[in-house]
Amino acid sequence: GQNIDQPTEMTATEGAIVQINCTYQTSGFNGLFWYQQHAGEAPTFLSYNVLDGLEEKGRFSSFLSRSKGYSYLLLKELQMKDSASYLCAVRSLYGQNFVFGPGTRLSVLP
Amino acid sequence: EPEVTQTPSHQVTQMGQEVILHCVPISNHLYFYWYRQILGQKVEFLVSFYNNEISEKSEIFDDQFSVERPDGSNFTLKIRSTKLEDSAMYFCASSDVGSTDTQYFGPGTRLTVL
Repeated sequence: GQNIDQPTEMTATEGAIVQINCTYQTSGFNGLFWYQQHAGEAPTFLSYNVLDGLEEKGRFSSFLSRSKGYSYLLLKELQMKDSASYLCAVRSLYGQNFVFGPGTRLSVLP
Repeated sequence: EPEVTQTPSHQVTQMGQEVILHCVPISNHLYFYWYRQILGQKVEFLVSFYNNEISEKSEIFDDQFSVERPDGSNFTLKIRSTKLEDSAMYFCASSDVGSTDTQYFGPGTRLTVL
């Protein structure tokens, strides 16, 4: 079976750091992706992890532990424009089948 | 910057009618995808397409759905007989062969079935 869990909502303050967690149980694994989705818009790619460890891209970092079925997205120096939903997605072992989590709606307050 | 485009942005149809949603993927990309997102719910994978054939499809992608690459630039999703529960945002995405890590999503088509 395929199951991906994320917190439904989070709130943080402008300039702060926030960590959004994702846990997954999938029948196969070939990479974990994070997307940002503003209300009414399409998802946009943020990061990709296939090996354990931390990937850093500017203000955004993503971590993966395959043995624990766990990932997080770390957002630093939060800005108001970071208010959005953050989607965790897992790619199947073979082929191009992606399972998305329910998303975490982040609100950044002044 | 190249982008995925989709038309129409909003489609309204009667239950039982056929609809075709259109997508133009990024020109040098070879993997194409359709997803749907019912309002307030998660993004759901429908189908992936590569080398002129379906690579994978989900349980949602039943016989009512089909995809086609009619020419060198378009990628279409057809729903043969729409149901009320097909109302959703439909996203097309594409990625290139050398870096299937990054999918680029189109702006979506909002389908409303009455």
